[in-house]
Amino acid sequence: GENVEQHPSTLSVQEGDSAVIKCTYSDSASNYFPWYKQELGKRPQLIIDIRSNVGEKKDQRIAVTLNKTAKHFSLHITETQPEDSAVYFCAASKNSGYALNFGKGTSLLVTP
Amino acid sequence: NAGVTQTPKFQVLKTGQSMTLQCAQDMNHNSMYWYRQDPGMGLRLIYYSASEGTTDKGEVPNGYNVSRLNKREFSLRLESAAPSQTSVYFCASLLRDKGFEQYFGPGTRLTVT
Repeated sequence: GENVEQHPSTLSVQEGDSAVIKCTYSDSASNYFPWYKQELGKRPQLIIDIRSNVGEKKDQRIAVTLNKTAKHFSLHITETQPEDSAVYFCAASKNSGYALNFGKGTSLLVTP
Repeated sequence: NAGVTQTPKFQVLKTGQSMTLQCAQDMNHNSMYWYRQDPGMGLRLIYYSASEGTTDKGEVPNGYNVSRLNKREFSLRLESAAPSQTSVYFCASLLRDKGFEQYFGPGTRLTVT
């Protein structure tokens, strides 16, 4: 089955700096790669996603890049703010309706 | 729309007791999922139902059963709870063939003593 590895497990940055979280996956048939943000005690919420026919996608301060050949994808957060502090999960899936395979999460702390 | 709802929010069980976690969605989604979340382990799939009338095992199905009662509801049953099942359980749903985003419920925090 699909195996998703996520690094780092913890990340601490100063407000205004950039943060990068990286994930690798094992199943070359995976074609959907979402990123979820989970605040303490809350449910995971989708913040950005990318499909395999696209190399990069941006949404304001958040971007995701995908390298299908190398089977890795990354989340980039620019101009970080304290409210970006949360646990971020990457995931991979083969098709709509299939289950997501999650990485183990990155705990991001943005200090003022 | 309430989205995805789960009951109960918290539950404490003794080893060997049984219980059913309830999940419902009002978004007319056809696929539904149960995940468990443990510290440092991310979210792991227990069971899923790609459409009404079908269920399939995920990564960690042992000790659980599911029922897709109708299009709206997908329940998770623990027949004989064990301390290893102490976790936070999330239900999610998705509208198949209309996108890939899974919507999560608020979670159920279960403790087995």
